[in-house]
Amino acid sequence: AQTVTQSQPEMSVQEAETVTLSCTYDTSESDYYLFWYKQPPSRQMILVIRQEAYKQQNATENRFSVNFQKAAKSFSLKISDSQLGDAAMYFCAYRSGDTGNQFYFGTGTSLTVIP
Amino acid sequence: NAGVTQTPKFRILKIGQSMTLQCTQDMNHNYMYWYRQDPGMGLKLIYYSVGAGITDKGEVPNGYNVSRSTTEDFPLRLELAAPSQTSVYFCASSYSISLTEQFFGPGTRLTVL
Repeated sequence: AQTVTQSQPEMSVQEAETVTLSCTYDTSESDYYLFWYKQPPSRQMILVIRQEAYKQQNATENRFSVNFQKAAKSFSLKISDSQLGDAAMYFCAYRSGDTGNQFYFGTGTSLTVIP
Repeated sequence: NAGVTQTPKFRILKIGQSMTLQCTQDMNHNYMYWYRQDPGMGLKLIYYSVGAGITDKGEVPNGYNVSRSTTEDFPLRLELAAPSQTSVYFCASSYSISLTEQFFGPGTRLTVL
């Protein structure tokens, strides 16, 4: 099984500032997908951003962007201009491009946004 | 579209009782999944289905059963509930392998006492 590691159980950021959440993964595959999911107190999992491993360009979605370092097996999430609504648990996830049926999730990072 | 719906939202079971967690999606997705999320942990895959009549085990299938008689429904059955099954359960769906995003339901919080 693949492993996904989020080494920051908790992070905090001042409103309007930038924060980066870390994620590393372990795989021997060359074709895979990486995701960041947000889980607010409502518990619903919401897709924030995704990255295909074959793409060199880092994915961006409005205030959310990733730093994908394939050789280092690193996939960090940067949140710019943080808002109070960004406070949530953030999960990094991996999915194989070959066998593809299973997602592997990290243990999550709890983000607090300070007004 | 309602997306992925789960019932119930909360449930308390006694040890040894059984129950079924319901999951329905109205997006005509072929793939459906059941995860559990223990406190402070990420999601672990219990079972998944690639289409009606086809199911397969995930990482943590012991103590659970599933069926997929229709595209829309993917119930999860707990037989002989144990305290170790206290968790939040999420159902998810996706259209196919080529579309990589999973859509999640709101979750069911289960406590076994």
